[in-house]
Amino acid sequence: AQSVSQHNHHVILSEAASLELGCNYSYGGTVNLFWYVQYPGQHLQLLLKYFSGDPLVKGIKGFEAEFIKSKFSFNLRKPSVQWSDTAEYFCAVNTGNQFYFGTGTSLTVIP
Amino acid sequence: NAGVMQNPRHLVRRRGQEARLRCSPMKGHSHVYWYRQLPEEGLKFMVYLQKENIIDESGMPKERFSAEFPKEGPSILRIQQVVRGDSAAYFCASSPRGGEAFFGQGTRLTVV
Repeated sequence: AQSVSQHNHHVILSEAASLELGCNYSYGGTVNLFWYVQYPGQHLQLLLKYFSGDPLVKGIKGFEAEFIKSKFSFNLRKPSVQWSDTAEYFCAVNTGNQFYFGTGTSLTVIP
Repeated sequence: NAGVMQNPRHLVRRRGQEARLRCSPMKGHSHVYWYRQLPEEGLKFMVYLQKENIIDESGMPKERFSAEFPKEGPSILRIQQVVRGDSAAYFCASSPRGGEAFFGQGTRLTVV
């Protein structure tokens, strides 16, 4: 069965620290990949997406993600986090037939 | 192009009543997804629908829950005989085929 795995459930960082959140998926075909962010009390918003082309994708607010096809991974990165990045982050895969979401990673940034 | 519209935003029901949650997808989107989010937990997939068809309902409880996406009108998630454990935020998302999902603001259901 298709699935999306986010290995980090809770991450706590100090401001200016670097961030990397892992995401792996299991699906053998072509996929579109996404990272969504959910700030406290709000709905999910798109952070970045990968459909094709350059596997290093840049999103909003300084986030980027790298698609490594051989590893079925789409890890999210940010060189220097801010307190305002405190949120829940969800990795998602669209196989063309269905969307699959990871269980989310809660990021807390300490000022 | 209006975003995904969910209503009501907040819904309070007494135990045993029915809760009806509505989701109007973005224009041109034929795929609708419903998710449940419990406090301090992630998104739990419930059901995936296309117009007039339930594609995957593997995340739906077998009893009391049902969903539809009629040819005309919004998608409806119906919870019959609600219990306290049904209290959660219910999010709807829509997408075109293969595209990104856009989320609604959610309906926060409280069962008292």
